[in-house]
Amino acid sequence: DTEVTQTPKHLVMGMTNKKSLKCEQHMGHRAMYWYKQKAKKPPELMFVYSYEKLSINESVPSRFSPECPNSSLLNLHLHALQPEDSALYLCASSQDQGNIQYFGAGTRLSVL
Amino acid sequence: AQSVTQLDSQVPVFEEAPVELRCNYSSSVSVYLFWYVQYPNQGLQLLLKYLSGSTLVKGINGFEAEFNKSQTSFHLRKPSVHISDTAEYFCAVSGAGNTGKLIFGQGTTLQVKP
Repeated sequence: DTEVTQTPKHLVMGMTNKKSLKCEQHMGHRAMYWYKQKAKKPPELMFVYSYEKLSINESVPSRFSPECPNSSLLNLHLHALQPEDSALYLCASSQDQGNIQYFGAGTRLSVL
Repeated sequence: AQSVTQLDSQVPVFEEAPVELRCNYSSSVSVYLFWYVQYPNQGLQLLLKYLSGSTLVKGINGFEAEFNKSQTSFHLRKPSVHISDTAEYFCAVSGAGNTGKLIFGQGTTLQVKP
């Protein structure tokens, strides 16, 4: 089983809203990732967590706030987003940082 | 620095014809190489991977790829495509130092026509 589950599948939010994206895996993986993907483009890495600690932050604006409450769960808290933040947000996990990554189906976010 | 170039942005092909999607990479260190497929409105699915060993790698859905170190290429092939193979295909290389950073190519849209 290589399933990474993301919720919600779709999200529409205003620029003053606060919302959260959720990612869950039960494969015992110890590394989890957030990517942003704009239309017709490859995914861009945002954050990497390894053993529940933030390992990489690719200079992401502070309106995106990641959280890893336990080894199975990864959240992305959103606040005061801009319309240009509208994109598909993908979560991935791997056995350890640097191993093969398995992706979820993504959350399609629209910021109005 | 590492980089990945997918040489074709779009590849139209008729059903049951063979197809090759081209990928070249640059890296000063040993790499892991991947092909991912993304169907419309979905996430990325791992098609196949090269970590070490045999240079011919077989993946899911009848796809295979050949790692060529001298030409720094990792081309994806399928002998006979189906309509259902219509999707976006991404070649990726793992970053140096086991950071987990995947360097993606720009993607190739495979359009299978009846």
